[in-house]
Amino acid sequence: DTEVTQTPKHLVMGMTNKKSLKCEQHMGHRAMYWYKQKAKKPPELMFVYSYEKLSINESVPSRFSPECPNSSLLNLHLHALQPEDSALYLCASGQGANNSPLHFGNGTRLTVT
Amino acid sequence: QQQVKQSPQSLIVQKGGISIINCAYENTAFDYFPWYQQFPGKGPALLIAIRPDVSEKKEGRFTISFNKSAKQFSLHIMDSQPGDSATYFCAASIGNTPLVFGKGTRLSVIA
Repeated sequence: DTEVTQTPKHLVMGMTNKKSLKCEQHMGHRAMYWYKQKAKKPPELMFVYSYEKLSINESVPSRFSPECPNSSLLNLHLHALQPEDSALYLCASGQGANNSPLHFGNGTRLTVT
Repeated sequence: QQQVKQSPQSLIVQKGGISIINCAYENTAFDYFPWYQQFPGKGPALLIAIRPDVSEKKEGRFTISFNKSAKQFSLHIMDSQPGDSATYFCAASIGNTPLVFGKGTRLSVIA
């Protein structure tokens, strides 16, 4: 089992809903990441937090709002999503140091109806 | 310059055979080259990684070969098993910058 825990595993939401994805790691990692993965595609970087501060935002639409309450937790708040936002949302963590590996969670499968 | 080109897109190998997946890059500043394995419904998991000062790294049945002059690296899976059937992603990064992923190879190992 992965050491990065994501909840929920599955989420179905309408376009007017507000929901949140949660991610937790207890490996003492200093960097946390959100990725979006479409079927048969590689993970696509959305956000990076380093020492609880947002360090990278890959021009993600404002309907996705990340939050890092502390060094172990990462949230992704969702509002007014579109059907094309349906995807697997992956959280990852790492030391944030040179050549340090990323540890991925098993993702949240999101369906927007 | 930031791309990593991965081939083939899909691969079918007989049980016990050797699976070979190739990646090529342009940016010579890349200094870390990991391979990730992803099973359906799961997140990617680090399989093996190499740095450009090493030409080969082996862990069990998995070997990375690295050719710095050709700007290529490859994953070899010896004695491939049905349990190895998964999607494999190569990646590269510079320092602590985010990984650049290849497009993935879907491997099927048939008995």
